Amino acid sequence: SQQGEEDPQALSIQEGENATMNCSYKTSINNLQWYRQNSGRGLVHLILIRSNEREKHSGRLRVTLDTSKKSSSLLITASRAADTASYFCATDRAGWGAQKLVFGQGTRLTINP
Amino acid sequence: NAGVTQTPKFQVLKTGQSMTLQCAQDMNHNSMYWYRQDPGMGLRLIYYSASEGTTDKGEVPNGYNVSRLNKREFSLRLESAAPSQTSVYFCASSRSYEQYFGPGTRLTVT
Repeated sequence: SQQGEEDPQALSIQEGENATMNCSYKTSINNLQWYRQNSGRGLVHLILIRSNEREKHSGRLRVTLDTSKKSSSLLITASRAADTASYFCATDRAGWGAQKLVFGQGTRLTINP
Repeated sequence: NAGVTQTPKFQVLKTGQSMTLQCAQDMNHNSMYWYRQDPGMGLRLIYYSASEGTTDKGEVPNGYNVSRLNKREFSLRLESAAPSQTSVYFCASSRSYEQYFGPGTRLTVT
């Protein structure tokens, strides 16, 4: 079963604009992570936010977490062509342990020059 | 550091054939994982190994077996391949929460 549902499934914006993608999940979590996948490649870890955190920044990335709504958002500011990729949220359910990540279906982001 | 390496990159099998996907990491990580990625489904955990000598089932273990050969290597075996196992397979490793992924193996079962 898929824990994370991502929205939108696909997003196309102009270079320089901000991109926001959302993730909703169903059960209590310990942490939520975001990963990026370039076409034909493995996933790359971007950022982790713990269940007791509400917001976290890393460079041009801003992640928020609302545990009452069981949702998270990833904001990429001042987008670049190199940001074109699929983005996945992943959660480790409370009680399952850090190893058992459940991934969402992903948002495919296209940055147009 | 090569990170996580997987072999082969591509494989075509006939239904009923067997094969082993190999994975190795050089980051001295305790935990290793096997996922499959199908179109529109995200990644699903097949098996994982929290430490050398232990393995546990993930979300979709049926039809697969694994071996944690040593701390570096974690292999995935398909004993009798089925068309439903056509997918891209990713191996990953971790020290704590952040997982590091290999480049994937694209498997087609005809």
